[in-house]
Amino acid sequence: AQSVAQPEDQVNVAEGNPLTVKCTYSVSGNPYLFWYVQYPNRGLQFLLKYITGDNLVKGSYGFEAEFNKSQTSFHLKKPSALVSDSALYFCAVRDIRYSTLTFGKGTMLLVSP
Amino acid sequence: NAGVTQTPKFRVLKTGQSMTLLCAQDMNHEYMYWYRQDPGMGLRLIHYSVGEGTTAKGEVPDGYNVSRLKKQNFLLGLESAAPSQTSVYFCASSYPGLAGGHEQFFGPGTRLTVL
Repeated sequence: AQSVAQPEDQVNVAEGNPLTVKCTYSVSGNPYLFWYVQYPNRGLQFLLKYITGDNLVKGSYGFEAEFNKSQTSFHLKKPSALVSDSALYFCAVRDIRYSTLTFGKGTMLLVSP
Repeated sequence: NAGVTQTPKFRVLKTGQSMTLLCAQDMNHEYMYWYRQDPGMGLRLIHYSVGEGTTAKGEVPDGYNVSRLKKQNFLLGLESAAPSQTSVYFCASSYPGLAGGHEQFFGPGTRLTVL
């Protein structure tokens, strides 16, 4: 069965600094990987996905993610954090057989002014 | 487009009561999903549907039933609510897309409390 791990419950970063939210995955076969963001009292919003192709994937709101097959990682990054980026971030992997997603436990990102 | 909508937004039940959560999508998506979100647990899949008239169990299906009588609607039922079902419930829908990505679109959630 596939799985994802988000090793950090919370990431703190100062506004203007680069941010990284970590995700590692375990799948058999080629991974389909996703990042979602959840703002308080809201549903999840899609940020970006990796299916195939370039290892650096660009997404919404200036976010990008780097796929690393040898390290089985898919870390979310942004060059310069904004206070408005503060939210809960989820990494997910798709089960190709059933098109369902398995989510990590989430990482709270707090960006301080 | 309204996207994915959920009804109701909030509900308080007593143990043993029943209720149905309604999810509707106007994007003509074949696939629909019900998740529950609990603190520190991420999202866990309850049931899902790959088309009208079909449903399948997810990771945590016990205590829940679903129906997909119309393509645009996916209902989640609790026959006899238990305090362990206190959670935030999210519905989502998806389509294969050109590359088969199945990006999921989420509703705003239903916050359910079972006393």
